[in-house]
Amino acid sequence: AQSVAQPEDQVNVAEGNPLTVKCTYSVSGNPYLFWYVQYPNRGLQFLLKYITGDNLVKGSYGFEAEFNKSQTSFHLKKPSALVSDSALYFCAVRGDTNAGKSTFGDGTTLTVKP
Amino acid sequence: DTAVSQTPKYLVTQMGNDKSIKCEQNLGHDTMYWYKQDSKKFLKIMFSYNNKELIINETVPNRFSPKSPDKAHLNLHINSLELGDSAVYFCASSHAGPQETQYFGPGTRLLVL
Repeated sequence: AQSVAQPEDQVNVAEGNPLTVKCTYSVSGNPYLFWYVQYPNRGLQFLLKYITGDNLVKGSYGFEAEFNKSQTSFHLKKPSALVSDSALYFCAVRGDTNAGKSTFGDGTTLTVKP
Repeated sequence: DTAVSQTPKYLVTQMGNDKSIKCEQNLGHDTMYWYKQDSKKFLKIMFSYNNKELIINETVPNRFSPKSPDKAHLNLHINSLELGDSAVYFCASSHAGPQETQYFGPGTRLLVL
């Protein structure tokens, strides 16, 4: 069975400070890891993904994430947070078995204060 | 142009009624999905279709029946609605394969009274 853990329900940072949203995963086979963002009353939007290759993945809006196989982690980071980054963030994993089923974490609410 | 669209956006109905939610994608994707997001914002996959064939069917009550008339459409019919069905339902689509990004619709907010 595959699973995703986002250990923090809420992350608060000040504008201009770096932010990290944590994600760890468990999956059989090769992991495909995704970050999505959900703004209020909207659908999920893709931010970035890890498939293979370079462990540091760069995505939309200045976000990046580092794949760490030994720690089974895929933390989302941004060097300088903006108030407009405030949203709900989901980490998701898909294995190359299990019919490509996606498992999402419970989400982390990021609040960036001015 | 909306990539993944859902109708209706809002649905308020009484317990016991039957309702349908429609989803259409114009991205040329082979695979479509239905997700349920509950009041705590937890997101769970319900169904997945690839080329009109059901490939994922999670432990969802039989009252929920997806139908895919063609690759661009995946509709969700719900019979005998219950209070616990109140949630936001998201449709998504992607190319086939676990490495592919999913594109989500705006959601249908269902409230069962």
